[in-house]
Formats: sequence, structure tokens, C-alpha cells
Amino acid sequence: GAVVSQHPSRVICKSGTSVKIECRSLDFQATTMFWYRQFPKKSLMLMATSNEGSKATYEQGVEKDKFLINHASLTLSTLTVTSAHPEDSSFYICSARDSGELFFGEGSRLTVL
Amino acid sequence: AQTVTQSQPEMSVQEAETVTLSCTYDTSENNYYLFWYKQPPSRQMILVIRQEAYKQQNATENRFSVNFQKAAKSFSLKISDSQLGDTAMYFCAFMKHVLGGGSNYKLTFGKGTLLTVNP
Repeated sequence: GAVVSQHPSRVICKSGTSVKIECRSLDFQATTMFWYRQFPKKSLMLMATSNEGSKATYEQGVEKDKFLINHASLTLSTLTVTSAHPEDSSFYICSARDSGELFFGEGSRLTVL
Repeated sequence: AQTVTQSQPEMSVQEAETVTLSCTYDTSENNYYLFWYKQPPSRQMILVIRQEAYKQQNATENRFSVNFQKAAKSFSLKISDSQLGDTAMYFCAFMKHVLGGGSNYKLTFGKGTLLTVNP
């Protein structure tokens, strides 16, 4: 199946700094990617839909100014957590669609100190 | 809005035995897809099985099969001949069908069931 790769897999940052997480479709083009957040032992919560060449669509309750999404190419979407705080610590997962099926990245664990 | 309910937070099964994970959902849609995803300790989400709502036949993938009851809005997963590698978190997920797809491939997940396969 198609491969979606996320980088970094783990990141630790200080409170107040910004962190960028990349999501790449390695062997297919993805006009749409999805960003999820997963708290420990919890389900995945959809944060936003990333659309290539246009603005992302955010789910209700997700701060678009805090979680900046850029989908500048058909193979790359980035999620930037701006002015991160400890409550932003979480596991972030992206997914992309190929031939009608969704494929997930390995996830990125963010820890904000 | 759609909701997905998994009523079993944790389950365990002996190796080689059969286990069934429950999932119910609520929707007013008539055309949709249902999925079971597996998330092992590595946290990589892996598709286990998929069911189109318009298909009456239950989907099967090797040791994995579903019991899809559309009227009851129930979608359970049966794992036969359980293996140690089946130990993982299992999520049931819903996606409504939209002509043209595109940005509407949004999944709604249940809270998950942690399955432990014991040797």
C-alpha cells in the first residue's frame, strides 16, 4: 500500500516556542491530507483537513492560529504548533488518501516542557 | 453528526482462540463506510477491514471478519485464531460516502478497545 511518512517522530520543545511537523506521501500525490490528535489512551480527534494549494479546513474548537497547516505541494503538508504550551503535548497523526483508501503516518509525539 | 461507540475499553483472549469486538454507530446517512483500524504499540494505524454500507455481504480478510447489521447500526469485528501480534488498540471508524470524495474522506473514530492476546 501507499506510504505516508511523518517527521519528526518525537520532538521536545520549550513552552512558547513553535514546532513544525511534516507529513509526506512518499509514493503518491495527495491533494488532501488530514491531521489528527490523539491523547494518551484516547481516540483520534480530527483537527483539520489540509487542502493542497488552499486554506485548511479546521474542525470546530480547533484554534487555526495555534495549529497552522500548510499544504504547499501534492506530497507535503505541515502542521506548525505555534507558541506551544504543555497542554499541546500530544500525539499528532496525519493521513492521506490514495485510490479511495486512507493511509496513516507513523505519528509524531510532541512534548512541551 | 455521526457517533461511534465501542463499549469494551479492554478485552483479552487466549492465543488461538476467537474474540469479538463490538461497535455501534449512529447516523442518518444511508451511504457510508465502516472500518476497523489496529494501532499496535508502535502507534502506526493499520487498516484491518472495511465495509461498504450498501453491501449486504460481510467483509472478511483472512482471520478477520465483520458482522454488519445495518438496521441495528452494529459493526462487530471477529478475530479468529488470535495471535500474539494481534495485541493492539482497535478502533472502529465511520466515514460517510460523498460523490467525488476529495476532502470528505473524514473519519469518525470510536474510543477504541485494547485487545490483549495472552500466550
